[in-house]
Parts: sequence; C-alpha cells; structure tokens
Amino acid sequence: NTKITQSPRYLILGRANKSLECEQHLGHNAMYWYKQSAEKPPELMFLYNLKQLIRNETVPSRFIPECPDSSKLLLHISAVDPEDSAVYFCASSQAGTANTGQLYFGEGSKLTVL
Amino acid sequence: GQQVEQSPASLVLQEGENAELQCTYSTTLNSMQWFYQRPGGRLVSLLYSPSWAEQRGGRLTSSAASNESRSSLHISSSQITDSGTYLCAMGPVYAQGLTFGLGTRVSVFP
Repeated sequence: NTKITQSPRYLILGRANKSLECEQHLGHNAMYWYKQSAEKPPELMFLYNLKQLIRNETVPSRFIPECPDSSKLLLHISAVDPEDSAVYFCASSQAGTANTGQLYFGEGSKLTVL
Repeated sequence: GQQVEQSPASLVLQEGENAELQCTYSTTLNSMQWFYQRPGGRLVSLLYSPSWAEQRGGRLTSSAASNESRSSLHISSSQITDSGTYLCAMGPVYAQGLTFGLGTRVSVFP
C-alpha cells in the first residue's frame, strides 16, 4: 500500500532538528499526525482539514506541524527529548462536516532519541 | 480517564477457534473503526462503521449495540497469521479524529 507515504522511515537523533514528511494520494481532505510510544495505542497530535489546523492536541512546542497543501503534511521537530522516541504515523480521511471518515495510515516514521 | 476500553487485554487461541473482542466507550459516537497491527508494523484498517450497521469483511464481523455503548469484533476460524494486536477507535460527535483503545493482543497457535 503506497497510497500514504512517509519519510524518513527511521530516524536517530541527538538534539538536532529534523522534519518528517507525509504525502497521501487518496484525494482526502483531512490529514493527521499520531504518536505511538512503545506498548501504547496511537495518540492524536495534530489534525488538518483542507489545510486548516482544526485540532491541536497538547504536545510540546518543539513539534510544529505544517500543511503546504491538502495532500502533504510535515512535522518539524527541534531539540528532541528522550520521551519523544516513538513511531509517528501520518493518516488521512475524507472527513464530513460531522464525522471523521475512515482513517488510512502510513507506515510510520520511527524516531529514536539518543 | 480512558474513553475507549477494550477487553480482553490478551487472548490465546488455537487455530480454527472463533473469538470475540469487545470495545466499550463512554461518549456519543458517530463512527467506530477496527484496526490490526503487528509489532512494529503499520495500522491496517479492518472494518469501519459510520453507523451502527453490522460490518463484514472475510472472516471478520463487527457489530455494535449503541444503547449499550459497545462494539464487538468477531473473528471466525482463526489462523496463525491473525496473531497481532487489534485496536478499536472511536470518532466522537464533538470532534474530528479517532481515539484509540489500548488494544487486545491475540496469539493464535497451531
């Protein structure tokens, strides 16, 4: 399934800055960033609908999302902390006015903080 | 607290057995979605329920009892390749995005 692509797939950081990228080829209007720590379920970080940030969960300010167009999503990370080690999943859906729609996930970007 | 509860936390099956996974929630929903995930793997959408109608996909069936705030995933004739974690996720009426339960870890042995 290459309809949602994420890069890089693996990332090892000290206290550097880096960006995660996601692109969806499904024509969806909503895109999401989820964080999944070890042995935990995914947790919603950010949600964009038609390039507008709709829902901004309480995440550290060192995570900054960007949506340059409706098919692309970026996550800029600066001065990472060991607690940021996790898999970051991108997802998309065709959201309606009152519902989320069916979510499809990318393969994830695994971040390891040294 | 956790808005989506899943049970059991883990399940061991012999190949060929059927299983029922439960998901309960504590808010009003407009959708429910079931996912499958292998360790270190991606989230694979199994079934999506925008209403409370029964959903079927191969050996999987999801059913919902909205008056009991409960959804179930039925796995029939389990196979070794069904081993992994099954996550239910709810879409609340008040917001977009899905909230996940902690999952049920299924192990199928020959």
